[in-house]
This record gives sequence, structure tokens and C-alpha cells, in this order.
Amino acid sequence: QKEVEQNSGPLSVPEGAIASLNCTYSDRVSQSFFWYRQYSGKSPELIMSIYSNGDKEDGRFTAQLNKASQYVSLLIRDSQPSDSATYLCAALAAGGTSYGKLTFGQGTILTVHP
Amino acid sequence: DADVTQTPRNRITKTGKRIMLECSQTKGHDRMYWYRQDPGLGLRLIYYSFDVKDINKGEISDGYSVSRQAQAKFSLSLESAIPNQTALYFCATGDQGGYTFGSGTRLTVV
Repeated sequence: QKEVEQNSGPLSVPEGAIASLNCTYSDRVSQSFFWYRQYSGKSPELIMSIYSNGDKEDGRFTAQLNKASQYVSLLIRDSQPSDSATYLCAALAAGGTSYGKLTFGQGTILTVHP
Repeated sequence: DADVTQTPRNRITKTGKRIMLECSQTKGHDRMYWYRQDPGLGLRLIYYSFDVKDINKGEISDGYSVSRQAQAKFSLSLESAIPNQTALYFCATGDQGGYTFGSGTRLTVV
């Protein structure tokens, strides 16, 4: 089982819709979680970080964390064609032998069509 | 200047050659990481370091070595390059607040 898993997609949504991206993790020592956006051939850019159970909102983005279910999600409201990219979920281990290890999922390709 | 600088940006090398990829950062973070990216496989961790004396293997460290010369510098070496090490390599630094990536090195082994 991979430590961080994402549906690779592609996920296609119409412009203006809500895009929902999901991620599960297996290591219970993971305490911090991150969502990155990556355009083709470019480096990943941090969108959101989340540490506590519940929702965290930043503009059109909402990250959700459920530690009991080991589940992290990212909602993008009012999706725009410029949101078309690969979205990477990452988990940071906070204890044990893997302390400080930052593990990524394989990424979900999102396409927003006009 | 970029917060995280990787050199070279592109490199073509022959099988069996030794090659070093360099990373330097001005963010002042202790943690530095090396990843490789292949299509459809996301970012896979090669090595990570918390200081010059604390280096940890990631999930795919075989065939690679690293050197943390200073807090700001973390180099990745391929002792004897092979074609399946052709990939995009990223360096990153940060802390619990988030991680910043360099622009990447595109390495081709022929």
C-alpha cells in the first residue's frame, strides 16, 4: 500500500463548477498535509497546508482533513481553465523512524473545460 | 534570486558517468529534500536531510548518494548513471509551514 494515494484521474469539470480532489494516507504519524499544484514541466507550488481536523479555506480553495479516516481533500470552487494542472497531495511524518519524511501521492490531473 | 536554486537545469550524460546535481537555498531552513519525478508517478523521495550530519534515505535511494555541505547546500550524485535514472529531479526545503521547490533538473542518461 502506498503511503499517500490519489486518484490519478484525469478529472474533468466545466468552468465554474466545483472540483473535488481526494487523498488518503496510511501512516498515522503524519500530522501535516499539503496540497501542491504543478503545471506541466514546472515545479510544484504550495496551495494549502492543513494540520487540524476540519476545513480550512483560502479564497476559492478549501482543504479538508479527517485524521480518523486518514483522508484529505481539496475543493476548488468556481473552477477556471487556468486551474488545469496536476494536483499533488503530501503528508509530513511527525514522529517515529520516519520523522520529517515528506511523502507525495502520484497526483491527480485536473482539466477545466470552458 | 530564487529561494531554491538547482544546477544544472538540463543535463545529458552517458551511461556509466558520474554526475552531480546541486541545490542551494536562501530560506534558512534546516530540512532539505531530493525527489525524482517520472510521468504518472508523482514525486518520489530519494534522500532528505535535517543538517550536515543527519541524512536519511527515502524510498528510492539505491544508485544515488548525497552530500550536505552546509545548511544551505545539498547535492545529489549518481555514481554510475543508468538510463532508467532519466527523470526530472527536484530539490525542496521548508518546514511544517510548507515546502518550496527548485525549478528542477532534467537529466537524460543515454
